[in-house]
Amino acid sequence: ILNVEQSPQSLHVQEGDSTNFTCSFPSSNFYALHWYRWETAKSPEALFVMTLNGDEKKKGRISATLNTKEGYSYLYIKGSQPEDSATYLCSLTQLTFGSGTQLTVLP
Amino acid sequence: NAGVTQTPKFQVLKTGQSMTLQCAQDMNHNSMYWYRQDPGMGLRLIYYSASEGTTDKGEVPNGYNVSRLNKREFSLRLESAAPSQTSVYFCASSPSDRRIVGTGELFFGEGSRLTVL
Repeated sequence: ILNVEQSPQSLHVQEGDSTNFTCSFPSSNFYALHWYRWETAKSPEALFVMTLNGDEKKKGRISATLNTKEGYSYLYIKGSQPEDSATYLCSLTQLTFGSGTQLTVLP
Repeated sequence: NAGVTQTPKFQVLKTGQSMTLQCAQDMNHNSMYWYRQDPGMGLRLIYYSASEGTTDKGEVPNGYNVSRLNKREFSLRLESAAPSQTSVYFCASSPSDRRIVGTGELFFGEGSRLTVL
């Protein structure tokens, strides 16, 4: 079982602030890293699938980077809005998830 | 296009009872998965099926069995429910090809909340 760690566990920011979270994973035998957004009372929804070292992906105000050599990925949210409040999960392929970062954006 | 459909959405069982959670997807995906979600522990993989006719254990398979009935359907069975199986269960599918460690994103069902008394 691969160990995927996310930090911080929870985060409160003010509307308009930019923020970022970390997903750490074993750098050996890397294949793919996924980011998901999970709103309360809903199902997780895919944000990004990243496979190559140095990958950068962007969707609106959310972006992610990947460093497979050192085993981490960052998720960035620029100008946080209350609707960004959710738990953000990362996973190694489909098999192992981190415990998530719970983001609350205060109006 | 319904995506991934799970039934039932809620269920209360007594210890020792059995039940089956049903999952169906209409996206023609090869791979299907069952996860459980417990507070503070994210999603943990119970079983998965890389393709029709194959199933494999995930991180927490004990106490569960699965059946990949056809390409669309993947069921999860609790033969003798225990309080430790109280959880929210999610089914998911992915367009990954024959290799299980795929790049295909997961599409999740709405979840099934199971309580075992």
